[in-house]
Amino acid sequence: GAVVSQHPSWVICKSGTSVKIECRSLDFQATTMFWYRQFPKQSLMLMATSNEGSKATYEQGVEKDKFLINHASLTLSTLTVTSAHPEDSSFYICSATSGGAVQETQYFGPGTRLLVL
Amino acid sequence: GQQLNQSPQSMFIQEGEDVSMNCTSSSIFNTWLWYKQDPGEGPVLLIALYKAGELTSNGRLTAQFGITRKDSFLNISASIPSDVGIYFCAGQLQGSWGKLQFGAGTQVVVTP
Repeated sequence: GAVVSQHPSWVICKSGTSVKIECRSLDFQATTMFWYRQFPKQSLMLMATSNEGSKATYEQGVEKDKFLINHASLTLSTLTVTSAHPEDSSFYICSATSGGAVQETQYFGPGTRLLVL
Repeated sequence: GQQLNQSPQSMFIQEGEDVSMNCTSSSIFNTWLWYKQDPGEGPVLLIALYKAGELTSNGRLTAQFGITRKDSFLNISASIPSDVGIYFCAGQLQGSWGKLQFGAGTQVVVTP
């Protein structure tokens, strides 16, 4: 149980284009999903918290108009990198919890590697 | 910003040896989690700790939630080649339900 998938696993795009990344909880309903970014040889940095049916909460320094998050259902959250630039190249990872209790473990997706040329 | 201090940064050990790493903080956490990340993959949960003083094992892995709620350690006994990877601690701050802070990671290399 507790499987989280991401699609695509990797994407290469031209500068200026927008890229959508999907995060799905496969065997549980995720009331909360989190989006992280990880640069090479660094730790995971939380970008935003996504609750089903409400607006995402962004961490300080993360541009909400740049990284659009939609959590339209209990099993799907999407992250759209708008007008991507080379500095947006990174490993994007989502995680999900069922949110049923205070002590909820986060289960992570396999990540999406974005390369902006 | 990152509030967890994870050490060591890297470890080079021989197969069969034990591995120990820890995370400390000046803040109080109500959950400690240990993850392993392989290259190009997402983190995989190893052990979750929810109570101060809790000691939990998962096969050759043992982790403890420090009594002060400001630290945690992870031990790997009798290491094998597949233990290679980066190990992250993650803590959930008291009062910030759901949001995790991650340590910088410990890179483990196991030589035959």
